[in-house]
Amino acid sequence: KQEVTQIPAALSVPEGENLVLNCSFTDSAIYNLQWFRQDPGKGLTSLLLIQSSQREQTSGRLNASLDKSSGRSTLYIAASQPGDSATYLCAVSSAGRRALTFGSGTRLQVQP
Amino acid sequence: SAVISQKPSRDICQRGTSLTIQCQVDSQVTMMFWYRQQPGQSLTLIATANQGSEATYESGFVIDKFPISRPNLTFSTLTVSNMSPEDSSIYLCSVVSATNEKLFFGSGTQLSVL
Repeated sequence: KQEVTQIPAALSVPEGENLVLNCSFTDSAIYNLQWFRQDPGKGLTSLLLIQSSQREQTSGRLNASLDKSSGRSTLYIAASQPGDSATYLCAVSSAGRRALTFGSGTRLQVQP
Repeated sequence: SAVISQKPSRDICQRGTSLTIQCQVDSQVTMMFWYRQQPGQSLTLIATANQGSEATYESGFVIDKFPISRPNLTFSTLTVSNMSPEDSSIYLCSVVSATNEKLFFGSGTQLSVL
């Protein structure tokens, strides 16, 4: 059974810092990995999707990497802004199973 | 991207009653799922909604408690039956886009059971 772990559980940084969120998964036979953002009282917004054959994806100030063999992914946020404050969720879909298994999330607060 | 309309956005219900949540998508999708997010926790998959047939439930979830319908490719409902306070959660509909395989989520239904 796939298990997804995210570290740290919470993070508070001053505005402008670069930061890294970590995600690990137990079964390397994944189909893809997605990073989501969740704002309080709102749904989830998909940030980046990495297929199992890819090593990284970039969108603006966000960069996500995937090391399937070691069961790890990182989300890099450059030049953080107060608007980046949210909970970030990592989720993986396993080969043969398209539904996502979610980590418990990292709650990020960027101080102005 | 797929635009998902989920309603109601929130409800407060009495113990023992049932609530049906609707999920409507504006485009063709390959798969539809229902998730639950209990307070302070991450998302847990309830079931995969299958078009024209019975949903596929995850361990710990049963059809009598969470009946699901999916009469066509773009619409599904989840019913939370015989509710208790332990059912207080956010329920989210999600779909896999037919164009880019990304998973998209509705805005969720915040359910409180008294």
